[in-house]
Amino acid sequence: DAKTTQPTSMDCAEGRAANLPCNHSTISGNEYVYWYRQIHSQGPQYIIHGLKNNETNEMASLIITEDRKSSTLILPHATLRDTAVYYCIVRPAKSGSARQLTFGSGTQLTVLP
Amino acid sequence: KAGVTQTPRYLIKTRGQQVTLSCSPISGHRSVSWYQQTPGQGLQFLFEYFSETQRNKGNFPGRFSGRQFSNSRSEMNVSTLELGDSALYLCASSPSSGNYGYTFGSGTRLTVV
Repeated sequence: DAKTTQPTSMDCAEGRAANLPCNHSTISGNEYVYWYRQIHSQGPQYIIHGLKNNETNEMASLIITEDRKSSTLILPHATLRDTAVYYCIVRPAKSGSARQLTFGSGTQLTVLP
Repeated sequence: KAGVTQTPRYLIKTRGQQVTLSCSPISGHRSVSWYQQTPGQGLQFLFEYFSETQRNKGNFPGRFSGRQFSNSRSEMNVSTLELGDSALYLCASSPSSGNYGYTFGSGTRLTVV
């Protein structure tokens, strides 16, 4: 019961911005959008999350459409170390409810030299 | 501060045996979750513990169990191991409440022969 849809793979040139899309057309009003990435053989790494406003941190920016049905993770200056599988996840906001992370297949981002 | 620590990193067991994996969360984190990652099924939620109580459970057989201690450290146990239990087992911790990202450990690679 996938709640998000992501492209299977994407390439990006080193130094350029990587824009990773995610569709979450059935998102509920109380669900946040989270992004994680997993570099080969390591545990997933939290990147960023948001509810409806655009968010930015030291790693990335998250752009959520006004209707909240899709979002884009932006890595402003991709490096070879950003090569990883990127997961877009929707998760209830309320504490105590079923808030486990449901991972889909993610997007394999390959940063090319 | 120290991250999420999982021990052991690698483990080889024989079918029918049982295994216990350990996870030490980030200091101050009271929630610990466990995930199983296999090439075929991807990342799947096992269970979540908070203040020594199981708060949420994924769709796994009863052979998979866990517990959390008063210092928030957690263990998971798999009894009567099957070949299909070979996987990367990941532990993640988060603060007690609110909308935080989980911090994952590097995982325990279990091989059942």
